[in-house]
Amino acid sequence: AQSVTQPDIHITVSEGASLELRCNYSYGATPYLFWYVQSPGQGLQLLLKYFSGDTLVQGIKGFEAEFKRSQSSFNLRKPSVHWSDAAEYFCAVGAEGYNNNDMRFGAGTRLTVKP
Amino acid sequence: EPEVTQTPSHQVTQMGQEVILRCVPISNHLYFYWYRQILGQKVEFLVSFYNNEISEKSEIFDDQFSVERPDGSNFTLKIRSTKLEDSAMYFCASSTGYEQYFGPGTRLTVT
Repeated sequence: AQSVTQPDIHITVSEGASLELRCNYSYGATPYLFWYVQSPGQGLQLLLKYFSGDTLVQGIKGFEAEFKRSQSSFNLRKPSVHWSDAAEYFCAVGAEGYNNNDMRFGAGTRLTVKP
Repeated sequence: EPEVTQTPSHQVTQMGQEVILRCVPISNHLYFYWYRQILGQKVEFLVSFYNNEISEKSEIFDDQFSVERPDGSNFTLKIRSTKLEDSAMYFCASSTGYEQYFGPGTRLTVT
């Protein structure tokens, strides 16, 4: 079964600084990869996804992620962080196939933004 | 933009009681899911549902849990006899087969 590791439990960056959140996955076939954001007390909002094709994917709110098969990684990046980006970020991997039933989430990375 | 909705937003129940969490998926979606997030922990897959039957379930989804699509719009999760450790945020999601769209969640507190 697939699994996801997010090595950083908590990251603090200054507003305006760049951001990279790490995600490593384990899956034997082609993964479907996702990044979700969760603000306190809120649900999960999809930031971006990778199914196939261009390995650099653009998402909402200025986020992007790059799929690197050789490193089994799907790191999330943003060139300039805004205070409103403070939230919990989850990487998730779905199994290959039309219906990614068994989607597994990482433990999450909490992002704090300093003024 | 269509969205997944969940009711109630917060449910408090006593240990041993039955609870039903309700979800209204996006109308043209065919796949439905329940996930759980214990406070401070990661989101965990519970069950997926397609064509009026469970297509996959995790080890968490034991005999105390059941799901149902009682009509054309609702998708429910029932916990028969709640335990303290069932306290969590429960998320419903729906999909056309690729990305899953999540509802805002129901916070279940078992006392």
